[in-house]
Amino acid sequence: AQSVTQLGSHVSVSEGALVLLRCNYSSSVPPYLFWYVQYPNQGLQLLLKYTTGATLVKGINGFEAEFKKSETSFHLTKPSAHMSDAAEYFCAVSEPGNQFYFGTGTSLTVIP
Amino acid sequence: DTAVSQTPKYLVTQMGNDKSIKCEQNLGHDTMYWYKQDSKKFLKIMFSYNNKELIINETVPNRFSPKSPDKAHLNLHINSLELGDSAVYFCASSQIGNTEAFFGQGTRLTVV
Repeated sequence: AQSVTQLGSHVSVSEGALVLLRCNYSSSVPPYLFWYVQYPNQGLQLLLKYTTGATLVKGINGFEAEFKKSETSFHLTKPSAHMSDAAEYFCAVSEPGNQFYFGTGTSLTVIP
Repeated sequence: DTAVSQTPKYLVTQMGNDKSIKCEQNLGHDTMYWYKQDSKKFLKIMFSYNNKELIINETVPNRFSPKSPDKAHLNLHINSLELGDSAVYFCASSQIGNTEAFFGQGTRLTVV
């Protein structure tokens, strides 16, 4: 069975500070891992994904995430937060041929 | 061109009514999904469907039923609406292999 745990339902950072959003997963087979962002009153937009290959993946808007199998983690980072990064972030996992399962989300607030 | 489109965007209705939400994808994907997002932003899978198999989340009441007239459409019918059905419903699609799910903009359903 697959599951996703996002630590911290709310994260606040100062503008220009490092963003770190945590995600741990469980999966019985090598998973596909995703980070999605949701801006207010909008749908979910893919930030980045890991399927195979390089464990450090880069996404849009300066975000990146590293797949660490030994830690079953896929944390999302950005070196310098912008005001426009304020949104809800979702980590998701899927196994090939199966559904996508989402974490409970982390609301990111950027303080000017 | 919108990849996954849902209509309507907003839906306000009275308890006991029957309503439908339409979803269309123009990506040529073979799998479509319905998710429910509650007021706490939790995303819960309701259904996944391709031309071979319908997978139903066992916690979804049988008042909810997906209907797929063709591969590009997956509509959601809801009978006897209840107050607790108020939420944002998202349609999504993906191609076999689940390398990414594309989401619609959501339908905000309010039951009064």
